[in-house]
Amino acid sequence: AQSVTQLGSHVSVSEGALVLLRCNYSSSVPPYLFWYVQYPNQGLQLLLKYTSAATLVKGINGFEAEFKKSETSFHLTKPSAHMSDAAEYFCAVIGDAGGTSYGKLTFGQGTILTVHP
Amino acid sequence: DGGITQSPKYLFRKEGQNVTLSCEQNLNHDAMYWYRQDPGQGLRLIYYSQIVNDFQKGDIAEGYSVSREKKESFPLTVTSAQKNPTAFYLCASTYRGERTQYFGPGTRLTVL
Repeated sequence: AQSVTQLGSHVSVSEGALVLLRCNYSSSVPPYLFWYVQYPNQGLQLLLKYTSAATLVKGINGFEAEFKKSETSFHLTKPSAHMSDAAEYFCAVIGDAGGTSYGKLTFGQGTILTVHP
Repeated sequence: DGGITQSPKYLFRKEGQNVTLSCEQNLNHDAMYWYRQDPGQGLRLIYYSQIVNDFQKGDIAEGYSVSREKKESFPLTVTSAQKNPTAFYLCASTYRGERTQYFGPGTRLTVL
């Protein structure tokens, strides 16, 4: 069984401020973790992913996330927010079922990021 | 360019009508997925298919049907049995055994 909790359905920051979007997960097997971004009326775009290699993962657009097994967290950060970062962000987890067997991708509820000038 | 296409972008349907949403990919991906997105609820899995001529129900399959006759195509039919079909529908695909899913642009379905 697996689940994802995103703390805060809405986060508001000023342009240039730190962005921190929180994600906690539960998984009965070693997890693969993802952050996706969605702009209005568009599909999901992969920001970054954790696949059991380095615990600090760098993604596109200056975002990064750190996998902390002891805290079961995978928070997304960006040092300096830009107006173009305004979007909805989804954290997702999939268990490593091994081989070619299907593992279900489970999404959090999403966090809407607003960036103020 | 390789990618996932969904059509139409916007779709309007009268109550009681079936409607089919298209999803095509030219990435040579084996597995394809359909998700439904409602505000504040994240994405929920409707159906998925790992190989041609085979598919499995996801968490909310009632009122939906799919087919997988070609590797590139995975159409979703929203039937009149779906009680609340108004939503944003997303198709995704990946290589079999790969964990990262890639998404199409979505279709917004509105029932009038």
